Amino acid sequence: DAKTTQPPSMDCAEGRAANLPCNHSTISGNEYVYWYRQIHSQGPQYIIHGLKNNETNEMASLIITEDRKSSTLILPHATLRDTAVYYCIVRVSLPYNQGGKLIFGQGTELSVKP
Amino acid sequence: DGGITQSPKYLFRKEGQNVTLSCEQNLNHDAMYWYRQDPGQGLRLIYYSQIVNDFQKGDIAEGYSVSREKKESFPLTVTSAQKNPTAFYLCASTLSSGLFANYGYTFGSGTRLTVV
Repeated sequence: DAKTTQPPSMDCAEGRAANLPCNHSTISGNEYVYWYRQIHSQGPQYIIHGLKNNETNEMASLIITEDRKSSTLILPHATLRDTAVYYCIVRVSLPYNQGGKLIFGQGTELSVKP
Repeated sequence: DGGITQSPKYLFRKEGQNVTLSCEQNLNHDAMYWYRQDPGQGLRLIYYSQIVNDFQKGDIAEGYSVSREKKESFPLTVTSAQKNPTAFYLCASTLSSGLFANYGYTFGSGTRLTVV
């Protein structure tokens, strides 16, 4: 089962910041939060990931609350090409110390409108 | 440029046939994964492999098989035992998937399998 909860859809005006929320109240101390996006019929595209601290790269910023139970992905200046399904994912541990796997939920369908 | 190549992009299978989906990466990644995506749904893990000659079942492995004879390749076979194989299949890889690894996961562009 997914360990994250996201709103099913959101709208954003072109040029404005898009703030996509995610709840992950059962996250464990060593589990990372990843964000991916998927445009219809394509493979998911990596955006950003983090553990405790806020992170920023050329695509987006990730704000993680101090208790780590929720996070927000920020696209600072949304464009029409940012229209996609955005997945907030917790990387959980595999059994027998075999590393980690990404658990996908339903995601948020972001529509950027002119 | 490095990346993951999945082929074919579209695949049609008759009832009772086995089919094999190809996944090749030139990123020198150790870990590889197969996911299945149904319409309007998130991705579900089928199989994963952390190193060559080793692989493990994911959450929905029934009716599927894999091999990992080379680091670069992780083919997925959809067998006739898979009762509902029509779906979008995605392959992914990461440099290392150790417990405290901090690497991104790269996905291929997917194979859409349809049973006819």
